[in-house]
Parts: sequence; C-alpha cells; structure tokens
Amino acid sequence: DSGVTQTPKHLITATGQRVTLRCSPRSGDLSVYWYQQSLDQGLQFLIQYYNGEERAKGNILERFSAQQFPDLHSELNLSSLELGDSALYFCASSRSGSETTGELFFGEGSRLTVL
Amino acid sequence: GQQLNQSPQSMFIQEGEDVSMNCTSSSIFNTWLWYKQDPGEGPVLLIALYKAGELTSNGRLTAQFGITRKDSFLNISASIPSDVGIYFCAPDGGGAQKLVFGQGTRLTINP
Repeated sequence: DSGVTQTPKHLITATGQRVTLRCSPRSGDLSVYWYQQSLDQGLQFLIQYYNGEERAKGNILERFSAQQFPDLHSELNLSSLELGDSALYFCASSRSGSETTGELFFGEGSRLTVL
Repeated sequence: GQQLNQSPQSMFIQEGEDVSMNCTSSSIFNTWLWYKQDPGEGPVLLIALYKAGELTSNGRLTAQFGITRKDSFLNISASIPSDVGIYFCAPDGGGAQKLVFGQGTRLTINP
C-alpha cells in the first residue's frame, strides 16, 4: 500500500461527458502528479501541483484540468470526453516539489472507459 | 526537445535467465530512477541512482548511472515469476522534463 488513494477505481461513461477523478496523497506529501497510461503506452505526464499551486505542466489537453485543494487532495477533471481518452489515470505524490522529484508514490489508478 | 528511449520494449524469457534493459536520452540528468509496475498496480520505485558512474544493487537487481549522465541500465539476475511486469526508467533533471518516464520494458517469463 503506497498510501496514495484514488477514486473511483473504475469509471465507464459516454463520449461528450465530464468526469472527475480524485486523489488523496500520502500523509505529509505536498506534491501531487497526474499521469495518463493508455493501452500499450508508457506513462504520460499531465500535470503537477505543489502545496496548492500548479508546478509543472506536461501534455495535458485543454479539455482536462486539475486542482489541488488546501487539504492537499487533488482532482483531475476530464470534459468533452472522447473515445481516445479511455486510459488508466494515475496519481502520484512526493514530499518535494522543486529541484528534484525524488521518489514518487503511485496510487492504484482510475480506469476510465469512454463508450 | 528531449528524447528518451527505453529498450527493449518487451522481453520473453525463461525463468532463471538474466535480463538487461536500458534507457538513453539526448539530455543530461542528475538522477535516474527505475520503477516497476505489476499488473493492475501503480509503479513502485526499485532503484534510485544519484551520481554519474554509480552502480547500485537491490537484491537481484543492479542498475548503473552512465558516466555521460545520458543513460542508465537495469539488470535482473536469475529471473523468477514475480519479476513479470513493466519496468520504467524515469530520469530526473529538474523542471517539467524531470517528470518523464520511459516507454517501459514489458517482461514476460515462461516457467
């Protein structure tokens, strides 16, 4: 158990819909990272938050947005969903937020299926 | 932009065989991390390398940080069934590029 909690574990929805994925980081970790893993693909970095502020941005679509709340949990919002958005979405957390990433602790992921 | 190449993409081996995989990059990094993802799970850190030329072992795993700081390899000796999974390199150089993972090496073991 990494200490990172993601909900829901599975989600099935239709094209054009909007979903929200939730992540609770390990106790004491200030950074939260979101990754997308499509079938047979590696981990694509989407976005990082550190102590409530956006710290780094990767290949995140404009239809996607995220935020980190004062209690440090984070939400990833995916809107106007397309078939290609079907993937595993991982949240990870770490103590640090700058200079070096350090070890990332990953949740078990949220599997999104868009029909 | 930065290019990160991890190879091989997949390996099919017999139990007991040794495994070798590597990552090369067009950029210099300060840290190389290796993660393993078990089926249905999130990745877990296996080994962290912090110094060019460093050779680090963790049980049957051995990893090295290349002298040029642009590459790293991971070896697994005497593979066992629980070694099955996807192995990712994750170099760390600061900024957004630090958060890049290799494409992964999928390891399958025939008993």
